[in-house]
Amino acid sequence: GQNIDQPTEMTATEGAIVQINCTYQTSGFNGLFWYQQHAGEAPTFLSYNVLDGLEEKGRFSSFLSRSKGYSDLLLKELQMKVSASFLCAVTGSNYQLIWGAGTKLIIKP
Amino acid sequence: SQTIHQWPATLVQPVGSPLSLECTVEGTSNPNLYWYRQAAGRGLQLLFYSVGIGQISSEVPQNLSASRPQDRQFILSSKKLLLSDSGFYLCAWSPSLEYNEQFFGPGTRLTVL
Repeated sequence: GQNIDQPTEMTATEGAIVQINCTYQTSGFNGLFWYQQHAGEAPTFLSYNVLDGLEEKGRFSSFLSRSKGYSDLLLKELQMKVSASFLCAVTGSNYQLIWGAGTKLIIKP
Repeated sequence: SQTIHQWPATLVQPVGSPLSLECTVEGTSNPNLYWYRQAAGRGLQLLFYSVGIGQISSEVPQNLSASRPQDRQFILSSKKLLLSDSGFYLCAWSPSLEYNEQFFGPGTRLTVL
């Protein structure tokens, strides 16, 4: 079967760094996406990885290891407004996105 | 630039009533279109996707159906709603299958009583 695993919830302090892990087992791999979703709103795109290594975008960066089947989303200099759920999604062999259940990130002052 | 619209934003319907949710995309042609449902605190469940007019693929058997009467219009329907149909319904589009970054509409929160 196909499976995407993420921690259900994480807590971090404002200004700190947090790393959210996503492990996947899919039939085929054509890329991995991270989305941010605030409560009651639609998901918005954060990052995309298709090759091994690090993609950096300001305070967000994402790392992919295809051989080990995981990605880490790194959030730096956390601000309160970043509190949201972070969704990992993998493009499988049929080019459809397979979604994880999301990690709820709680940021405390 | 591209925009995606969904309506209504919220809907409260009795069990057994029909449903019609509409999604339209502007600023692009021949998009791939998707309907998702998200239960509270859960991930996204793909319901239907479409790669062109009249082409609908169903991912999950249920009492819902989808149609694509025009290139940039995607409709989700039901003849008789169930309590389990409650949830947050999201429409999304992507420019291609190979690079499947999806752009989401604002969503419809459906409550079936």
